[in-house]
Amino acid sequence: DTAVSQTPKYLVTQMGNDKSIKCEQNLGHDTMYWYKQDSKKFLKIMFSYNNKELIINETVPNRFSPKSPDKAHLNLHINSLELGDSAVYFCASSHTDSGNTIYFGEGSWLTVV
Amino acid sequence: DQQVKQNSPSLSVQEGRISILNCDYTNSMFDYFLWYKKYPAEGPTFLISISSIKDKNEDGRFTVFLNKSAKHLSLHIVPSQPGDSAVYFCAAGDSGTYKYIFGTGTRLKVLA
Repeated sequence: DTAVSQTPKYLVTQMGNDKSIKCEQNLGHDTMYWYKQDSKKFLKIMFSYNNKELIINETVPNRFSPKSPDKAHLNLHINSLELGDSAVYFCASSHTDSGNTIYFGEGSWLTVV
Repeated sequence: DQQVKQNSPSLSVQEGRISILNCDYTNSMFDYFLWYKKYPAEGPTFLISISSIKDKNEDGRFTVFLNKSAKHLSLHIVPSQPGDSAVYFCAAGDSGTYKYIFGTGTRLKVLA
């Protein structure tokens, strides 16, 4: 059973399109995250939700909108995709009672052409 | 400004020897530190963590050392195995804010 699963794993789309990446965790965690790994391999936090509430928003363009329908899901919607959005996006989760160790999904490779 | 730095982009070690991966941080508010291993085309996998109240934590072949005064942590892998070949990321943060900063990674290659 995959603890943190995200779909799709690979996505190629044209500039200007709107796309979503879905994430689900079955670990019973109360905090979920989206990280972005860019071409230089920097792994940077984008958003964090705790119990469905946004707690971290790291100067991400407002074309990126996370949505957390419940504690087990955190989806990432991206409007008007740009070439620079091409990256690997990692979903992750943690639990405040477990030292906040973060567990990652396998990543979603987004290529904007 | 990179608050967490891994200054060695790569490291090669013979099988059976010790691998030492280093990480430096600048923010004295950081109180929780983690190491992750990442294989190509996979997500980072949690390896070991340490809280700032400790200076050492051990789990099997993996030991993390924390030197708070130097703002430095290291991951020791003994003995190193070919399957340990991967990119290793350290992460540091304030456990109360849910925000962890990752280093840029060190690619470890264990030679058989």
